[in-house]
Amino acid sequence: DAMVIQNPRYQVTQFGKPVTLSCSQTLNHNVMYWYQQKSSQAPKLLFHYYDKDFNNEADTPDNFQSRRPNTSFCFLDIRSPGLGDAAMYLCATSRRRETQYFGPGTRLLVL
Amino acid sequence: AQTVTQSQPEMSVQEAETVTLSCTYDTSESDYYLFWYKQPPSRQMILVIRQEAYKQQNATENRFSVNFQKAAKSFSLKISDSQLGDAAMYFCAYRWDSNYQLIWGAGTKLIIKP
Repeated sequence: DAMVIQNPRYQVTQFGKPVTLSCSQTLNHNVMYWYQQKSSQAPKLLFHYYDKDFNNEADTPDNFQSRRPNTSFCFLDIRSPGLGDAAMYLCATSRRRETQYFGPGTRLLVL
Repeated sequence: AQTVTQSQPEMSVQEAETVTLSCTYDTSESDYYLFWYKQPPSRQMILVIRQEAYKQQNATENRFSVNFQKAAKSFSLKISDSQLGDAAMYFCAYRWDSNYQLIWGAGTKLIIKP
């Protein structure tokens, strides 16, 4: 089945220690998104890629970076995680501006 | 500014009964899309139903249907024959045609009573 895969599902890191979250997709969608979601709040868009074109949301902290080496993979790098970065990170994909489909998420814990 | 409002933080319903979750939105755009997503305790965000603003017919997906009132800017979700597996956080979301960003409501937590 075509799907969006996120690894790892749970990630524990130390305060200030860089961490990378991974997303891959078999849907062949050209747009990939990264969201941050805290507790039961709505997801907050961090950035998205349209093909290789990177689009950063205005209020996304510089601490968050992203890479998309090919159509299938997209990475979220947190350069120096703080306690406030503990959250669920959701990856989503879409074909152009069509419906977004989400992966299962990575829960990040910062100690 | 585009906004999405879900006025019910929490709803509960008896198993097998029908429940309606409300959503209103504010926009000056004419071409847009509306969505209901479900997020169970596993935290996977799952698409429930989608509605294109240009379509007058209300979208349906099995036990899930919407009441789309474009003039009133209302987009409610009706769940018929509620099942235990329907227990989740439900988010209403909006996207206008020329943009990638989803505008989200605050969510409604749905509890199913056995």
